[in-house]
Amino acid sequence: DTAVSQTPKYLVTQMGNDKSIKCEQNLGHDTMYWYKQDSKKFLKIMFSYNNKELIINETVPNRFSPKSPDKAHLNLHINSLELGDSAVYFCASSHLQANYGYTFGSGTRLTVV
Amino acid sequence: QKEVEQNSGPLSVPEGAIASLNCTYSDRGSQSFFWYRQYSGKSPELIMFIYSNGDKEDGRFTAQLNKASQYVSLLIRDSQPSDSATYLCAVINTGNQFYFGTGTSLTVIP
Repeated sequence: DTAVSQTPKYLVTQMGNDKSIKCEQNLGHDTMYWYKQDSKKFLKIMFSYNNKELIINETVPNRFSPKSPDKAHLNLHINSLELGDSAVYFCASSHLQANYGYTFGSGTRLTVV
Repeated sequence: QKEVEQNSGPLSVPEGAIASLNCTYSDRGSQSFFWYRQYSGKSPELIMFIYSNGDKEDGRFTAQLNKASQYVSLLIRDSQPSDSATYLCAVINTGNQFYFGTGTSLTVIP
């Protein structure tokens, strides 16, 4: 199936832990993104990579570090998790100009306890 | 001023009615406009995109764009309970940045 797939779907962890979320797309897109969706449903861009290069890095704590080993993968590593990091994290991909919109992964619901 | 603004709702319409969702944007030079639907607990899925002034129809959905007034709307004809979801407007601005609105929650009442 052509898609954007991200794992895990659910992640429950304690404060202070380090965790990673993985994302892969097989749509042939050259740009990938991480979005955070809070409890009010607002989608906020965190990072964007084009062909493995960082092109958007919004004001995000440096505990969040994206890594793109190739243009089909964009992973998100989070250090020293805090309660406020609890949210749904979406990976997405598009062509560079995004004229046909984004395709989203199914999301990772992160709960920090 | 936010790049993209939507009324958060909730908007309730009876089954079979027309649901009208509105969105305004701040960058007059924006060229590409999108409507996404997001069911509770799911990811956003693209319903329609529109680039030119006027209407674009796809089944029961019609996107309307008015660049002079800087608004884009989505009409859903013959609304069904399965249309109950949050609808997100998104815009690509002149800086080629993609912005989402905060979404409008729609409930279709059987």
